[in-house]
Amino acid sequence: GIQVEQSPPDLILQEGANSTLRCNFSDSVNNLQWFHQNPWGQLINLFYIPSGTKQNGRLSATTVATERYSLLYISSSQTTDSGVYFCAVGKGGSEKLVFGKGTKLTVNP
Amino acid sequence: EAEVAQSPRYKITEKSQAVAFWCDPISGHATLYWYRQILGQGPELLVQFQDESVVDDSQLPKDRFSAERLKGVDSTLKIQPAELGDSAMYLCASSRLGGAAQYFGPGTRLTVL
Repeated sequence: GIQVEQSPPDLILQEGANSTLRCNFSDSVNNLQWFHQNPWGQLINLFYIPSGTKQNGRLSATTVATERYSLLYISSSQTTDSGVYFCAVGKGGSEKLVFGKGTKLTVNP
Repeated sequence: EAEVAQSPRYKITEKSQAVAFWCDPISGHATLYWYRQILGQGPELLVQFQDESVVDDSQLPKDRFSAERLKGVDSTLKIQPAELGDSAMYLCASSRLGGAAQYFGPGTRLTVL
């Protein structure tokens, strides 16, 4: 099956700093999503981005499908950005999403 | 904004007891997923429904777990009997179709004593 690797596993920032999270995957995909898991455990959908670039406020994401990676950018980080960020990929259709192990982000005031 | 509903939010049970979790997907979403997330790991799919039909239950421990979505809307996941290793977060998600963006509910945190 598809392998998903996320880096770095842990990231500690000061409020206001920028960061880049990376997701590498081992096969072609038709579905790629980025999620933020808040301290209460809920997964918040950030981006559905099997290819191309999207932006939503301070967050943006780029997927280069031909090179099998995706990047999540967080600018001007805030303490509320803390949590675990997951990348999940799938081959589309009825194929399941496979999650990476996540990047744990801590933003200190 | 429409959301996926799950209940209960927390469940504590003793091993060998039966437990059940409920999920109501976003209205109009044909595909429903149950995931299990162990602490420190990413979610893993247990079962996927397309309307009332099971599409993928390859990772569902069928000797003790069962799932149904009788009318193609809400769904129930059951564990009988519960074991210590079942302690985890159980997440439900839905999407318009398989392969489309998935939206998650708040989850049920299960503790088996």
